[in-house]
Amino acid sequence: GAVVSQHPSRVICKSGTSVKIECRSLDFQATTMFWYRQFPKQSLMLMATSNEGSKATYEQGVEKDKFLINHASLTLSTLTVTSAHPEDSSFYICSARDKFLSGGSNTEAFFGQGTRLTVV
Amino acid sequence: AQSVTQLGSHVSVSEGALVLLRCNYSSSVPPYLFWYVQYPNQGLQLLLKYTSAATLVKGINGFEAEFKKSETSFHLTKPSAHMSDAAEYFCAVSGGSQGNLIFGKGTKLSVKP
Repeated sequence: GAVVSQHPSRVICKSGTSVKIECRSLDFQATTMFWYRQFPKQSLMLMATSNEGSKATYEQGVEKDKFLINHASLTLSTLTVTSAHPEDSSFYICSARDKFLSGGSNTEAFFGQGTRLTVV
Repeated sequence: AQSVTQLGSHVSVSEGALVLLRCNYSSSVPPYLFWYVQYPNQGLQLLLKYTSAATLVKGINGFEAEFKKSETSFHLTKPSAHMSDAAEYFCAVSGGSQGNLIFGKGTKLSVKP
């Protein structure tokens, strides 16, 4: 199946600093990538939808100035957590759908390995 | 609006026993349904998907699921549990406003030796 690479897998940063997480589709083009946040023992909550060449669409309650998303190419989307605080500590997961298959909602999304962010 | 309910946040079975993880959906249109597995500190891996073809769907690692429209269910089963099946399982339905999948809360499967 298609591969989505997410990097880094783990990161520890100091409060007030920024952290960038990369999500790459390795063998397909992804017009749309999704960023999720997963709290312990909970499901995945969609944070934002990243569209290549345009602004990201954020879900209600997600601060767009805090979680900056850039989707500069068909294979790369980045999430930057700015001025991180301990409450931003979480597991962040990206997913992508194949550009040539995404016309139908029956195609699955491929997921990255996730990034465990710890803000100290 | 589409939604998914997974009954049971934690299921424990003995090795070799039947695995049954329950998922019910709500959808205003014919749904596309998915089961994903997540191992600790990892992303999600697709087990199987229902896309309106056969109602009994076979997936990887011996898992299968049956779509039952009358019951609005898509339960995941495996005849004989293996220790390596211990993980978190998510049921999902397509149809989010951004083309995203909508996930259930997940069921943690434990397998006892």
